[in-house]
Parts: sequence; structure tokens; C-alpha cells
Amino acid sequence: GESVGLHLPTLSVQEGDNSIINCAYSNSASDYFIWYKQESGKGPQFIIDIRSNMDKRQGQRVTVLLNKTVKHLSLQIAATQPGDSAVYFCAETGNTGFQKLVFGTGTRLLVSP
Amino acid sequence: GAVVSQHPSRVICKSGTSVKIECRSLDFQATTMFWYRQFPKQSLMLMATSNEGSKATYEQGVEKDKFLINHASLTLSTLTVTSAHPEDSSFYICSARAGVTNTEAFFGQGTRLTVV
Repeated sequence: GESVGLHLPTLSVQEGDNSIINCAYSNSASDYFIWYKQESGKGPQFIIDIRSNMDKRQGQRVTVLLNKTVKHLSLQIAATQPGDSAVYFCAETGNTGFQKLVFGTGTRLLVSP
Repeated sequence: GAVVSQHPSRVICKSGTSVKIECRSLDFQATTMFWYRQFPKQSLMLMATSNEGSKATYEQGVEKDKFLINHASLTLSTLTVTSAHPEDSSFYICSARAGVTNTEAFFGQGTRLTVV
């Protein structure tokens, strides 16, 4: 079945460092991927998305990379700030026409001042 | 971004009773809504997908008679946890998506359900 998983459960970085959060997915037919940030007790917040016809997309301080060959997704956060501390999830819609949105395991990012 | 409002944010109920959670899209029409359950320090587990005016599609292992989902309008979906038990205690989150071309899903703030 479909699954989306992450390599690292917790990532600790210093303020100002760059952070890289990784995600592996198993459904090779997935055509749309999204990264979300979730703070404690709140719902997920959209960060950035990427379609399967792209391998890189940049936003403000964030970059998502997609490697379809190895079914790997990563989120890069530049100049990480304490406010970036949260749990980050990758999610994918498979090839369902967005009739499903499946979340990965999650990585907790801890940013020290 | 668009706003999705979930109500209540917290609820405590007695075992055996039913609880209804509402999910509203405040400034857009949500053709598709997703319902998730999240246990502490775990990921969001998709429970079901609902499209306005049609029956919800439940994920494997989710009891449709226990978790009743209604998506009667383009701005409101409800999840009713029937005959709740302590093991149903969890964080329930809804997400709404607008239209066919809009690919962004917006999330509610979640509902913390505690069954005592």
C-alpha cells in the first residue's frame, strides 16, 4: 500500500544554520507533494509544494527537492530561526486526483538560539 | 491563505456518548474535505475523504458506523464519533480543499477529544 516515511525523527540545529528534512515515499505514481509545519496543538500549516514534473521549487527561505528516481523528497530551510521549531511532515496525494492526502511520519525540528 | 474553522477545539465526553465535530470553510467552497486523527507524537492518519453531496470514502480500518461523516454543504463537514470510548481520545483534524484546479488543502486548528 501507499506509505510516506521520514528518515529522522528529530533534528537539532543552531539558529542561523541551514536545516534539511528528508522524506521517502513508496508510491511511484504520486504526482503532488506538500510540506507542512505543525506547531504543538495546532493544525498543519502549508509550507511549500511540488509537482512530480519538477525536481526543485523555491520559496521564501525554503526549498523543496524531489528525486523521483529514488522516491525521495527533502525540505531545506535556510538560516533556521527559533520560530521554525515545529514538527514537519511531508504529504502526498498519490495519483488520486487529490482524493487522498497521506502524511509521512514527521520530523521534529529543534532550533537552539 | 483560506480559513478553515474547526469546532469545538476541545471536548470532554463520557464513555458511551456521541460527539460531533464541525469543520467549516469560511471564505471558500470546499469540494473535498479530509478528516484525520493524530495521536501524541505521531503523524496524521487519514480517516476519510468526503466530497460534497456524496458519501465519504473511508480508509481501511476506519469504522464508518463509528465515525460518521457528513458533507452536506460546500462549507461544512461534520464528524460524529458515536458511542465514544477512551481509546477514541485523540486530536482530530479536518482539512478542506477548494475546487478541482486548486491543489492546496487548508487545515483546521484541530479538536482535542478526551473520553472519560
